[in-house]
Amino acid sequence: EVHLVDSGGDVVLPGESLTLSCVASGFTFDDYTMHWVRQSPERGLEWVSSINWDGSETRYAESVKGRFVISRDNNRESVFLELNGLTSDDSAKYFCVRDLMGAFDYWGQGTHVSVSS
Amino acid sequence: EVVLTQSPGTLSLSPGERLTLSCRASQRLDSAFVAWYQQRPGQAPRLLFYGTTNRAPGVPDRFDGGGYGTDFTLSISRLEVEDIGLYYCQQYDKSPWTFGQGTRVEI
Repeated sequence: EVHLVDSGGDVVLPGESLTLSCVASGFTFDDYTMHWVRQSPERGLEWVSSINWDGSETRYAESVKGRFVISRDNNRESVFLELNGLTSDDSAKYFCVRDLMGAFDYWGQGTHVSVSS
Repeated sequence: EVVLTQSPGTLSLSPGERLTLSCRASQRLDSAFVAWYQQRPGQAPRLLFYGTTNRAPGVPDRFDGGGYGTDFTLSISRLEVEDIGLYYCQQYDKSPWTFGQGTRVEI
């Protein structure tokens, strides 16, 4: 059974950094592109970033480009999202998601990021 | 970016009724790249359909996806209590991938 376990969310001050982690199990991790998607009451569901199977290709939403960094470790079956220069607009629940040709077929339970002074 | 507008905002119905949710895109989309998700209260979204009409594993056949161009629909033939929640459409035809704002289904 596919499982994605997100972690790393926290309450931080504006401008601070945070790294989110997602541990996968139940499938051949390095066969799949992985994504991060976030959800907030203000912005709804928003695709944030993606990384291909070997980490050679990454993509970012314009709202986070230059501030967030996605990476993966296939040996640890994990994907990471480094969040830098956080603002209140980044406050959201962040989901690790598995790719199905661009759709999202499995989601983690989500981890909360709150940016507040 | 492609804006997806879902309607209605909220649907209040009785068990057994049929409902149709609408998703209108600001640009024409290849129907191979439209998905629908269900989000029950307190849970992560769950994939219902991909490629407009391809039902994800475990999705009951009373759910149906359709549409083309700029207009896509999700239908539920006989509403059940377990179907309450938010429903989102998503396009993955044009970068960045985007979601609609959601339709809430209530009983």
